[in-house]
Amino acid sequence: DQQVKQNSPSLSVQEGRISILNCDYTNSMFDYFLWYKKYPAEGPTFLISISSIKDKNEDGRFTVFLNKSAKHLSLHIVPSQPGDSAVYFCAASALEYGNKLVFGAGTILRVKS
Amino acid sequence: DAGVIQSPRHEVTEMGQEVTLRCKPISGHDYLFWYRQTMMRGLELLIYFNNNVPIDDSGMPEDRFSAKMPNASFSTLKIQPSEPRDSAVYFCASSPPRTGLHYEQYFGPGTRLTVT
Repeated sequence: DQQVKQNSPSLSVQEGRISILNCDYTNSMFDYFLWYKKYPAEGPTFLISISSIKDKNEDGRFTVFLNKSAKHLSLHIVPSQPGDSAVYFCAASALEYGNKLVFGAGTILRVKS
Repeated sequence: DAGVIQSPRHEVTEMGQEVTLRCKPISGHDYLFWYRQTMMRGLELLIYFNNNVPIDDSGMPEDRFSAKMPNASFSTLKIQPSEPRDSAVYFCASSPPRTGLHYEQYFGPGTRLTVT
């Protein structure tokens, strides 16, 4: 029973173009969402987050969009750089569930130079 | 400022042996999490502690797995006896309490376990 789904296992993008990574969730209790980035042989590192009271959060080249009615969020990277090549995990949290995070399976992003 | 520290980074053991993974959380964080990452199941939560007390161990796969947190700066995840299907990368993470305004967990580099 996957509550957080990343349906695209991989994505390939040309350097300088936009990367769009998608995430869907099923549990309407989720009220906080995060994106983590993971390089090989390293642990996931926090990238950007969004609260359910917002529909957009921007940090430099990274923007996360939240569509609560569709239970969908996306991460936009503009412009994409080769150093962005990594695995991106979507995660969700619900205040009622305490400090637990539920992770998606991840999407491998490859940025070609 | 040291992040989450895990040891060993790599562990290769034979089926049936006991394996102990170690974690030192970030100082001041009162939540500690153990995750397992596999190709089939992605990143799954095994157990988490708050103030050294286990809060939710529903993700622990079976009785062969156990975790302890004897003090605020140290936790172990033990597998006894180990089996080939336990081969995975095990991550430890820590966090301060979620306030509702902002929340993130900080991950260690992971321990890659191979059971032959």
